[in-house]
Amino acid sequence: AQRVTQPEKLLSVFKGAPVELKCNYSYSGSPELFWYVQYSRQRLQLLLRHISRESIKGFTADLNKGETSFHLKKPFAQEEDSAMYYCALTTTGTASKLTFGTGTRLQVTL
Amino acid sequence: DAEITQSPRHKITETGRQVTLACHQTWNHNNMFWYRQDLGHGLRLIHYSYGVQDTNKGEVSDGYSVSRSNTEDLPLTLESAASSQTSVYFCASFDEGAGELFFGEGSRLTVL
Repeated sequence: AQRVTQPEKLLSVFKGAPVELKCNYSYSGSPELFWYVQYSRQRLQLLLRHISRESIKGFTADLNKGETSFHLKKPFAQEEDSAMYYCALTTTGTASKLTFGTGTRLQVTL
Repeated sequence: DAEITQSPRHKITETGRQVTLACHQTWNHNNMFWYRQDLGHGLRLIHYSYGVQDTNKGEVSDGYSVSRSNTEDLPLTLESAASSQTSVYFCASFDEGAGELFFGEGSRLTVL
């Protein structure tokens, strides 16, 4: 069975500092990886997915199959980045059924 | 605008009572899901449906049931609520064209 691990429950950084939210997965096949974000009082929403290879709100994430990781990075944290971040995975043939990690709360302070 | 809505947004109930959480989407999506969100556990899949009359158990389905009589709705029923089911429940539907899951605002359930 597939599994997503986010080792940090809380990550606190200063404004302007680099951010890296860690995500590791276990799955024997070729997964599709996502990052979802939940801002205060807002719905969970898609931030980015690995197949798009895009940068959203300054965030990027690269799928490293060798290390089975999909870490989320941003060079300079902003206050508005404070939120709950979830890494998620789908597997071949189950494109819509996501397995989520436990989430990391990012707190950006002045 | 098309959307996905959940009701009630907040509910307090007693142990042993039956509770139904409603989920309604107007996008005509086939795939719908119920998750529960708990500190330290993240989001865990309860039940899901790939279309009318189709329902499937997720990771934490015990004590829950769903039905899918039409495309728009996937109600989640707790047959006999337990304190362990105190949680925030999220409904979601999948846009196959965009390849993206859209979430409702969540329903906070407290079982006393």
